Amino acid sequence: GQQLNQSPQSMFIQEGEDVSMNCTSSSIFNTWLWYKQEPGEGPVLLIALYKAGELTSNGRLTAQFGITRKDSFLNISASIPSDVGIYFCAGQGTIQGAQKLVFGQGTRLTINP
Amino acid sequence: DGGITQSPKYLFRKEGQNVTLSCEQNLNHDAMYWYRQDPGQGLRLIYYSQIVNDFQKGDIAEGYSVSREKKESFPLTVTSAQKNPTAFYLCASSMGSLQPQHFGDGTRLSIL
Repeated sequence: GQQLNQSPQSMFIQEGEDVSMNCTSSSIFNTWLWYKQEPGEGPVLLIALYKAGELTSNGRLTAQFGITRKDSFLNISASIPSDVGIYFCAGQGTIQGAQKLVFGQGTRLTINP
Repeated sequence: DGGITQSPKYLFRKEGQNVTLSCEQNLNHDAMYWYRQDPGQGLRLIYYSQIVNDFQKGDIAEGYSVSREKKESFPLTVTSAQKNPTAFYLCASSMGSLQPQHFGDGTRLSIL
């Protein structure tokens, strides 16, 4: 199956620092989604992006839908301990004739207080 | 509360045994999905259903089966043909195939 290239795979930062992660694909997507997953739980939707160039914020989180429709980034400003978790990007588009959601492999965020 | 309920939280399977994972949603969503998550990896699609009584294979359907007899329920059976079933299984639903998917809290399946 197809997957997105998400980077970095892991990040170790100090509390208060800003965080940036991104996803790239060789395919064009109609929608980009960003999820956060904590241990033993399912992913929770953070931000949904529907238009190329769209920049959307949710509190300290900001995400953008790339102009080429092949990439997206997520920024977290002024990180706090509860930001710890795994962040997944997901691109939605027509793949092999069907609407599919393709996931990146995740960015594991660790914060030192 | 509206949401997606997966049960059980933990499940153990003996060799050669079929097991069924439950997924129920009260969000009135038309589409439902099953994903498998292995350590350090993203989610891979097993099966999906866009409407009652219809479902399609995803990227890794071999060794799995599903049914969609009711809108709110989409059970997944892990059959004995699935040789490496140990994983975290996630169920999701969405209003339609173009809408964002929302996830349950998962079932962790292990082999005894």
